[in-house]
Amino acid sequence: QKEVEQNSGPLSVPEGAIASLNCTYSDRVSQSFFWYRQYSGKSPELIMSIYSNGDKEDGRFTAQLNKASQYVSLLIRDSQPSDSATYLCAVNRPTGTASKLTFGTGTRLQVTL
Amino acid sequence: GAVVSQHPSWVICKSGTSVKIECRSLDFQATTMFWYRQFPKQSLMLMATSNEGSKATYEQGVEKDKFLINHASLTLSTLTVTSAHPEDSSFYICSASSRGASSYNEQFFGPGTRLTVL
Repeated sequence: QKEVEQNSGPLSVPEGAIASLNCTYSDRVSQSFFWYRQYSGKSPELIMSIYSNGDKEDGRFTAQLNKASQYVSLLIRDSQPSDSATYLCAVNRPTGTASKLTFGTGTRLQVTL
Repeated sequence: GAVVSQHPSWVICKSGTSVKIECRSLDFQATTMFWYRQFPKQSLMLMATSNEGSKATYEQGVEKDKFLINHASLTLSTLTVTSAHPEDSSFYICSASSRGASSYNEQFFGPGTRLTVL
């Protein structure tokens, strides 16, 4: 079982729709959860972080965390063509003094006109 | 805030030469910096973790004598790919984290360096 699992996609949604991206993780001691957006040929950009169960909203983005189910998701409302990218789920696993991030393989999102 | 720069953004070198990549945190002190490598259509793979003033911790399978990491200050870490070969061609990305700014260890990524070894 992979430590962080994401559906590779592509996930295709029409412009203006809600895109729902999902991620599951295997390590129950994970504490922090992040969503990064990566455009082709570019480095990842942090868009959301979440640490407690429930929802966290920031503009058009909502992150949802359910630690009991080891599940974290990202909703993008009013999807725009500029949202087309690969979305990486990352999970923090404390390891001594330096906490490392474990990344999923990413879900490619395509927002169509 | 939380800006990380990398230099160079791309480099082409001949097989057998060494290449140095710099990673700088511009507006915060990075107690920890991370070096990743990403091959086409694959996810990020952590290569090593470096803390200021101490030796880097390398991930399993990463040759520490080939990928030299120096974290001399709270704003600068360097990765040197020694005796580069074509299979080292990849996208190298650094990230920086400051435990002082956040207890949740958010990592902020540099723009990456694309290395091509001929």
